[in-house]
Amino acid sequence: SQQGEEDPQALSIQEGENATMNCSYKTSINNLQWYRQNSGRGLVHLILIRSNEREKHSGRLRVTLDTSKKSSSLLITASRAADTASYFCGSVRRGAQKLVFGQGTRLTINP
Amino acid sequence: DAGITQSPRHKVTETGTPVTLRCHQTENHRYMYWYRQDPGHGLRLIHYSYGVKDTDKGEVSDGYSVSRSKTEDFLLTLESATSSQTSVYFCAISAGPTGEDEQYFGPGTRLTVT
Repeated sequence: SQQGEEDPQALSIQEGENATMNCSYKTSINNLQWYRQNSGRGLVHLILIRSNEREKHSGRLRVTLDTSKKSSSLLITASRAADTASYFCGSVRRGAQKLVFGQGTRLTINP
Repeated sequence: DAGITQSPRHKVTETGTPVTLRCHQTENHRYMYWYRQDPGHGLRLIHYSYGVKDTDKGEVSDGYSVSRSKTEDFLLTLESATSSQTSVYFCAISAGPTGEDEQYFGPGTRLTVT
């Protein structure tokens, strides 16, 4: 079964607005990772946040991790049309050497 | 893309025929993975490898086998393809030595089983 669940499944916003996507997982993790996938392409790694970290930034991306709630969020600020893509979270369980992905959030940025 | 290529990129095959997909990497990474992606299911792990001749099953391994005889190549075989194996297949590598690090993905293989 999928370790991660993402919410919402689809999100449509206006260019310039902020987009927030959430991810929940079920077991203790080593780290959690966010990926972007443009239509027809492979996944591209965005950010990795470790279990002892609470927040991480990369450019317009901000990721938070709440291990007590087993959840993470990805915030994209000042969205652009080029941010239109599907976003996936993947978690690495403690002691595992593999990612388990959620089903993804489809983000559409409207001009 | 961490030097990951997949071949073929597209394939149409008939039910019951064997199919082999190839993943090739150029940077000597230890961990390699095969996923399938289907609408409504996200990415699901089929098999992965943690070294030459060292492989393990993922969550959807039935009907698939893998082999890794060289560090750079990871092969996924469908012994007798079924229509339920129509999917997009992605290969990935883990950037670090433990399999816990970020992954880099190949461009995918679109497989259609008729």
